[in-house]
Amino acid sequence: GQNIDQPTEMTATEGAIVQINCTYQTSGFNGLFWYQQHAGEAPTFLSYNVLDGLEEKGRFSSFLSRSKGYSYLLLKELQMKDSASYLCASLEDQTGANNLFFGTGTRLTVIP
Amino acid sequence: GAVVSQHPSRVICKSGTSVKIECRSLDFQATTMFWYRQFPKQSLMLMATSNEGSKATYEQGVEKDKFLINHASLTLSTLTVTSAHPEDSSFYICSAKEAPQETQYFGPGTRLLVL
Repeated sequence: GQNIDQPTEMTATEGAIVQINCTYQTSGFNGLFWYQQHAGEAPTFLSYNVLDGLEEKGRFSSFLSRSKGYSYLLLKELQMKDSASYLCASLEDQTGANNLFFGTGTRLTVIP
Repeated sequence: GAVVSQHPSRVICKSGTSVKIECRSLDFQATTMFWYRQFPKQSLMLMATSNEGSKATYEQGVEKDKFLINHASLTLSTLTVTSAHPEDSSFYICSAKEAPQETQYFGPGTRLLVL
């Protein structure tokens, strides 16, 4: 099974840095995804971590620690358009097939 | 690249009717397609997984006779909600990936309202 926890809501100021944490307890773990989802729209891919460490991609970075069951998404130089839900999802091997299991998402509000 | 389309984007139907939703990968071959359901302010819940030419694998609690999935080609999967009821009203989202990559790319979703 899977148990994925992330904060429900966060608020941050435009231009600032925000870190969204995610912890997971899963079986057959094969990696950790972060997606961005604006209200009423489908998720868009942000990052995929398989190995421990930090991966940077422009203003967004993602970190994974497999031994601690922990990941975070770091957003720098926040912009108003970054207001969205950020979904943490674990990739799990279930009887030979890899499936994604999502947390409930963190709703980020960026204020001026 | 990696664009997934979904049609229709919004549908309203009467209780008891069937609704078909199409999911297409536009610029890659979708060896596996996934169907999710999302209720308001909740996360995406995986309904089923389908590989091209094979029967879909359904998650526990999802009725395979009610949610018919067909993945007849490497670019198209369909989800048919049969005998829809108001409780089936939800946001249905498909995703696709091309083996051996694991990244799933999502369609824009279909909002279903059953009256």
